[in-house]
Amino acid sequence: GQNIDQPTEMTATEGAIVQINCTYQTSGFNGLFWYQQHAGEAPTFLSYNVLDGLEEKGRFFSFLSRSKGYSYLLLKELQMKDSASYLCAVMDSNYQLIWGAGTKLIIKP
Amino acid sequence: TAGITQAPTSQILAAGRSMTLRCTQDMRHNAMYWYRQDLGLGLRLIHYSNTAGTTGKGEVPDGYSVSRANTDDFPLTLASAVPSQTSVYFCASSGLAGGTGELFFGEGSRLTVL
Repeated sequence: GQNIDQPTEMTATEGAIVQINCTYQTSGFNGLFWYQQHAGEAPTFLSYNVLDGLEEKGRFFSFLSRSKGYSYLLLKELQMKDSASYLCAVMDSNYQLIWGAGTKLIIKP
Repeated sequence: TAGITQAPTSQILAAGRSMTLRCTQDMRHNAMYWYRQDLGLGLRLIHYSNTAGTTGKGEVPDGYSVSRANTDDFPLTLASAVPSQTSVYFCASSGLAGGTGELFFGEGSRLTVL
């Protein structure tokens, strides 16, 4: 079966760095997405990786290793507004998105 | 800019009743999707439409139906609601059929079936 694994919850301190891991086993691979979802709100797009390596978007970095079935989302200089759930999703060979259950990130002052 | 609008925002429904969740987008996106989100589970695709006039079944289509009469609207209907359909429902759209583009989500519809 297809599977996306990410930690259920993480806690970090304001101003620090946090890395949220995502491992996947899917039927084929056509890209990996990260979305941010604040409580009670809709998910919003953060990043897309289809080739191995690191993508940077401001304070957010997304990394992909296709051979390891692994990605991480790195958040630098954490702010209180970064408290949210972070959803990892993989597009399989049929171009269907398989979603992880999300990682709830709690930022403490 | 409106983007994607869902209605209602929340609803309590008696089991056995029918309900239509509305979704309208103004971005002229070809692809539209309905997901449900339940605690501890990833988003699960109910139905999708790659273009007006076509629809397809997702991972959990049973008990739901959709239509896509035009580009902008993609309503989701529960013909006879059951308590297991209590969930938060998200409509989404993408400018690229096949889903390789980012998804734009509506604000969600919280449905409680009693």
